[in-house]
Amino acid sequence: RKEVEQDPGPFNVPEGATVAFNCTYSNSASQSFFWYRQDCRKEPKLLMSVYSSGNEDGRFTAQLNRASQYISLLIRDSKLSDSATYLCVVNRGDSWGKLQFGAGTQVVVTP
Amino acid sequence: GAVVSQHPSWVICKSGTSVKIECRSLDFQATTMFWYRQFPKQSLMLMATSNEGSKATYEQGVEKDKFLINHASLTLSTLTVTSAHPEDSSFYICSANSGPTDTQYFGPGTRLTVL
Repeated sequence: RKEVEQDPGPFNVPEGATVAFNCTYSNSASQSFFWYRQDCRKEPKLLMSVYSSGNEDGRFTAQLNRASQYISLLIRDSKLSDSATYLCVVNRGDSWGKLQFGAGTQVVVTP
Repeated sequence: GAVVSQHPSWVICKSGTSVKIECRSLDFQATTMFWYRQFPKQSLMLMATSNEGSKATYEQGVEKDKFLINHASLTLSTLTVTSAHPEDSSFYICSANSGPTDTQYFGPGTRLTVL
């Protein structure tokens, strides 16, 4: 079983629509949670951290459910530039900086 | 701020040769640098963690004699892939942080192709 699981997609989303997807993680010791985006053949870039109370950054909303060990990301009013692979990332819980990455969910926003 | 560079951005080499990849933090001192590898359509996998002035800590299954890591200063870490083989072809990415935090700054990656 993968430590961080994501639906690979692709999620095909019309411009202006809303898309949401989850990831699950297996390590109950994880304390830090993130969403990164990765464009094709590029490095990951931090999109947002995810907090227990849920948090929003513009059109992006992240939720964390510790009991069920899943994290969600919702994108409102999708833009063409939102097309990317979204990586769910959690820390391993054994030391700072050791992160576990999901394989990513691909989002394709179409005109 | 918090810019990390990598060099080279891509390299093609013959089987059996060694390849050195540099990772630099340009505007901050990186107490810890991390090296990852990513195969197509797979997740980033942590290979090793390096702290300035000490030996790198390798993840399980990563051969330390094949992937040599040197972290000689607070702004530079190098990864040398020794005796590279086609199965080592991958996207190698470094990241750095500057303290006890999970926030990491990623380099742009190096695409290695071994013929």
